[in-house]
Amino acid sequence: AQSVTQPDIHITVSEGASLELRCNYSYGATPYLFWYVQSPGQGLQLLLKYFSGDTLVQGIKGFEAEFKRSQSSFNLRKPSVHWSDAAEYFCAVGSVSGGYNKLIFGAGTRLAVHP
Amino acid sequence: DGGITQSPKYLFRKEGQNVTLSCEQNLNHDAMYWYRQDPGQGLRLIYYSQIVNDFQKGDIAEGYSVSREKKESFPLTVTSAQKNPTAFYLCASSIGGGGGQPQHFGDGTRLSIL
Repeated sequence: AQSVTQPDIHITVSEGASLELRCNYSYGATPYLFWYVQSPGQGLQLLLKYFSGDTLVQGIKGFEAEFKRSQSSFNLRKPSVHWSDAAEYFCAVGSVSGGYNKLIFGAGTRLAVHP
Repeated sequence: DGGITQSPKYLFRKEGQNVTLSCEQNLNHDAMYWYRQDPGQGLRLIYYSQIVNDFQKGDIAEGYSVSREKKESFPLTVTSAQKNPTAFYLCASSIGGGGGQPQHFGDGTRLSIL
């Protein structure tokens, strides 16, 4: 069965430091992969997506993610974190089940940013 | 601007009461979804709909019902059979089609028990 694991529940970084959020997936075929961000009390906003091709994907707000098939990973990175990046981040894998487009989400990683 | 509107933002339910959460989209998307979010559990799929007058149960459909009479609307009813309804509910939509379509989310409704 498809699944997504985000090993880190909470991460704290200092403003200006680099960031890497981990995501591992289990999926039989070539996966469609997504990262979303959620501010408190808000919906989810799409940061970036991977369908095929170049394994390094650029997204909004200076984020990027790298797809590594050999490691079944799709880690999210940012070279310099801003205080406004504090939020919860969700990795998701897309699949088609019975003709329906579905997303399977990880449990999320909550990012805190110290000034 | 196109988007997804969920209402109300906060909702309170009494014991034995059914409540309905509204979700409207003007993105002209075919597919719509309802998720439940609990702390530490990510998002769990309640129901989804690919086209008008068609919908499918997700992973946690018990105690919930939906309808899809119009393309732009996908209301969720939390029935009295749902014994633990306190959660944050998110509606989403996508163009439809293959698994590569990203979903667009509303700002959610927080449901609490009185």
